Amino acid sequence: SQQGEEDPQALSIQEGENATMNCSYKTSINNLQWYRQNSGRGLVHLILIRSNEREKHSGRLRVTLDTSKKSSSLLITASRAADTASYFCASSRYGQNFVFGPGTRLSVLP
Amino acid sequence: DTGVSQDPRHKITKRGQNVTFRCDPISEHNRLYWYRQTLGQGPEFLTYFQNEAQLEKSRLLSDRFSAERPKGSFSTLEIQRTEQGDSAMYLCASGTQDSPTSGTQYFGPGTRLLVL
Repeated sequence: SQQGEEDPQALSIQEGENATMNCSYKTSINNLQWYRQNSGRGLVHLILIRSNEREKHSGRLRVTLDTSKKSSSLLITASRAADTASYFCASSRYGQNFVFGPGTRLSVLP
Repeated sequence: DTGVSQDPRHKITKRGQNVTFRCDPISEHNRLYWYRQTLGQGPEFLTYFQNEAQLEKSRLLSDRFSAERPKGSFSTLEIQRTEQGDSAMYLCASGTQDSPTSGTQYFGPGTRLLVL
């Protein structure tokens, strides 16, 4: 089965710095998504990248996908304290078989 | 607020009792997912519906767990004879089959279950 694994498990940075998180998966996918979760809340969808795309941008977010290495990265530029949250990647095929990794806990210090 | 609602938001029960959770997805979404999440971990897939059909169940879903989506709209997740290990956040998500957004899930706020 697919397995999303985020790296690092925890990341602490200063406000204004960039944060990079990585994700790996094991089997072929149609797309990969990144989600954010604030403590004790539901997950919020951030961005979806399809298997035929290599890079996608949304505001301060930049996602890359390397299907040959079965990996993805999420870059948050100019981080803010409000970006403090856990970030998860989820891989899927045809809207099914979602597999989430354990997440990266990001702390942005003011 | 994603438009997905879950009820109740919190549930405390004694071991051995049955509990039922409800999820109301975004109305035009034909896909509905249930996940379980424990502290410090990512969501674990439990089951998935397309309309009223339950198409996939995780091996994590023991015979004490049952889910229904009788009319292809709201869904219920029941846990019978609860155990302390069932304590977790239960998350519901919905999505569509439409190609441009297929793969995006919209999550509800979750139901936090504590089994004493």
